Amino acid sequence: ETGVTQSPTHLIKTRGQQVTLRCSSQSGHNTVSWYQQALGQGPQFIFQYYREEENGRGNFPPRFSGLQFPNYSSELNVNALELDDSALYLCASSSDRVLGNTEAFFGQGTRLTVV
Amino acid sequence: AQSVTQLGSHVSVSEGALVLLRCNYSSSVPPYLFWYVQYPNQGLQLLLKYTTGATLVKGINGFEAEFKKSETSFHLTKPSAHMSDAAEYFCAVSNAGGTSYGKLTFGQGTILTVHP
Repeated sequence: ETGVTQSPTHLIKTRGQQVTLRCSSQSGHNTVSWYQQALGQGPQFIFQYYREEENGRGNFPPRFSGLQFPNYSSELNVNALELDDSALYLCASSSDRVLGNTEAFFGQGTRLTVV
Repeated sequence: AQSVTQLGSHVSVSEGALVLLRCNYSSSVPPYLFWYVQYPNQGLQLLLKYTTGATLVKGINGFEAEFKKSETSFHLTKPSAHMSDAAEYFCAVSNAGGTSYGKLTFGQGTILTVHP
């Protein structure tokens, strides 16, 4: 157990719908990063939040958006879902933005299927 | 820009044999390097990381990796494989500065199978 909790664990949505995924970070951590892991591939960085501000973004379209709350938990929102959005979405929390200075702890992920 | 290449999407070894998983990286600034393990239907767990200093890094479960700047490599080894080592392994890079210090760039992963 890493102390990072993601919900829901599984989700099925229809193309065009919107989805919100949630992540509860480990106690004492102020940084949350989101990754998309398509089947058979390595995780791809979506964005990072540090103290409620976006702190870097990967190569994902604007329909992927996020939020971090004062308690440092976070949400990932995806609008206008496409079939290619089907993936495991991983959340990682850490106590520092610079990942060499700390350890990123990953949750078990949310498996999103778009039909 | 940074990238990671893992050579071999599948590696199969016998129990007790040497495990060698290969990773090469590209980074425009000094890298931080990581190895993660992922068991089925689970998130990622950090095995070890290199930041600065000693180039031979020891991690959990008997794994170690050596940072070789001249070869831009960070291969993962374990002297003797256990059945419980069967999983998928990911090499990743981050940077100390620039615009990528908060981002992990992962390789495609290597699935390790351990035969009795």
